[in-house]
Parts: sequence; structure tokens; C-alpha cells
Amino acid sequence: SYELTQPPSVSVSPGQTARITCSGDALPKQYAYWYQQKPGQAPVLVIYKDSERPSGIPERFSGSSSGTTVTLTISGVQAEDEADYYCQSADSSSVVFGGGTKLTVL
Amino acid sequence: QITLKESGPTLVKPTQTLTLTCTFSGFSLSTSGVGVGWIRQPPGKALEWLALIYWDDDKRYSPSLKSRLTITKDTSKNQVVLTMTNMDPVDTATYYCAHSPYYYGSGSYYKNDWFDPWGQGTLVTVSS
Repeated sequence: SYELTQPPSVSVSPGQTARITCSGDALPKQYAYWYQQKPGQAPVLVIYKDSERPSGIPERFSGSSSGTTVTLTISGVQAEDEADYYCQSADSSSVVFGGGTKLTVL
Repeated sequence: QITLKESGPTLVKPTQTLTLTCTFSGFSLSTSGVGVGWIRQPPGKALEWLALIYWDDDKRYSPSLKSRLTITKDTSKNQVVLTMTNMDPVDTATYYCAHSPYYYGSGSYYKNDWFDPWGQGTLVTVSS
């Protein structure tokens, strides 16, 4: 299997735009997914298939893909968006998660 | 509404075998394309995928843990069971099960490899 690399932390002020990246050699061929995890809670899917947003997820969450990097963008960050974010992808036989990024809202 | 709940021991001794059960509702593992996965998270650390089983009994395992893992399903009971042998203190983690939805397109059902929703998780501590 392969690896997905995320920055350990990202900090933004309320109302600004947060961008969290995830890099992996297989990402040009495989979809990426993003999960939000708040302390003491189970992860929640916020983006699937690179850029699709599940029902119930605010429109300020969006995803994009370019080459070996996918990006989760949170526009107009709110205090409640402070959490750990994980990217995930898969190949034909296994699933892989990134190391996670802690988003801090200043 | 899809819900999943993990159950099993909270404490296991080193070298013992861990058996965890995921009991779910709101979907059936006899539905084409559907799957259930297991993911764990050591305290303060990242998520780690363990195993995934699909409606057709297709089973996938983490390459690094494959020799220690077995995943099975009981469709009639709406349960998926994960066993992990030779437990070690480094296996201390919260263990989650999660639903993997099907995709329907062009007249066929397809498997997916993402997870939504997740169970609440169960903390397993490995200690003598």
C-alpha cells in the first residue's frame, strides 16, 4: 500500500479560509475522502470522491484534486470547525489514512 | 438511519486474542456493494485502517496486520466480527467499525472504499 502525507497542523482566524493538503502518489488515480474528528468523537465524513459533499455537511466545506495532491478547503472558518482532519484513499486491495491535520481556530 | 455499535472486552492481556463485534442497523450486508470496515486509533494518534468485508464476502486486510486479523460477517444477525491475535500493548486503541456504502450506476451496484457513518468506538487496553 502507499502513504498519504498531511501537514500536522493548520491555524486560521475565524472567517478566514483554511486549506488542508494531502499528498500521495496514487491520488491521480484514486479518489480521496476527508473526515472530521472532534475530541472524544468518532470521525465524520465531510468530503467523498475528491469533491462531493455528503448531505448535512455545510457548504463551506469543499474538496479539490490536482495531480498527487488533494485539498480540503473550509471557507469562512467557524470556531466549531476546530478539529482533526484525516484524508483517506484506497487501492484495489487496501485502504490508507493520512496522518491527520489539527485545525486550530485562533 | 444507519447506526453501528462496537462491543467487546475493554481489557485484554498480552498474547491474548481480541474479538470485537460490530452490530449494525439501517442496512443489510446482503445488499450488493455494501461493506463494513474496522479502523483503530491509538490514544492521541492517527486513524489506522484494519479490515473491510463486503456483501459478497470479499475481505481486505491491512498489509501490515494481515497475519493477525480475521474479519467475518453474520448477515442474519447484522453483525461483523473482527479477531486480532497475539495482542500487544501497542495495540491499545479505540476500535471503530464503519459502514461502506454501495454506489449504483449504469444499472449495476459497485463497492466503495470510504466509510460513513462510523460507530462510537470502543477503547481496548492491552495490559497484564
